[in-house]
Amino acid sequence: DGGITQSPKYLFRKEGQNVTLSCEQNLNHDAMYWYRQDPGQGLRLIYYSQIVNDFQKGDIAEGYSVSREKKESFPLTVTSAQKNPTAFYLCASSKQDNSYEQYFGPGTRLTVT
Amino acid sequence: AQRVTQPEKLLSVFKGAPVELKCNYSYSGSPELFWYVQYSRQRLQLLLRHISRESIKGFTADLNKGETSFHLKKPFAQEEDSAMYYCALWGDTNAGKSTFGDGTTLTVKP
Repeated sequence: DGGITQSPKYLFRKEGQNVTLSCEQNLNHDAMYWYRQDPGQGLRLIYYSQIVNDFQKGDIAEGYSVSREKKESFPLTVTSAQKNPTAFYLCASSKQDNSYEQYFGPGTRLTVT
Repeated sequence: AQRVTQPEKLLSVFKGAPVELKCNYSYSGSPELFWYVQYSRQRLQLLLRHISRESIKGFTADLNKGETSFHLKKPFAQEEDSAMYYCALWGDTNAGKSTFGDGTTLTVKP
């Protein structure tokens, strides 16, 4: 393993607080992705970025925000507007060479009470 | 819109039996299709992609555009194949946007 890291592994927050999840990669990949994984619902795409300083909404972007100021980093902020923030969050990266192979991080489990 | 459906949430077979994990997709253009696997306590990783037409760990998958399917098959299942399997799609338009199915948990019993 290695190459793409997420921290922390577990995160606890009170309702109403924004929280930022970290994702870093040293694979020199241009593209990065954030997914949410809920039991029985598979992976759902939150945001993705194909190049620095650019990103697009995925299928469930409401209540989330991202930035892509550096190639290596793609932090995700879960805002207080996200109605059901408790979930497992996965970050991934890929080359932009039409192979589309994504390399996944270990994930962050966020619990909001 | 692009959509991936994996109709079986759970699949259980005995060691040595054939296994088929179903995947159907909905996409109007030419999709790129993949199978990802997540073994216990490991990260999600690529198993195989349709464009390479290769066999990985004895698994194969054929893209059937007429039936819009990309089923994953293995003739003789092994206990170490027990894992969660996800089918995924990338479209040729809206580049970069990926869609995953809900996943199938495969259990291979001894």
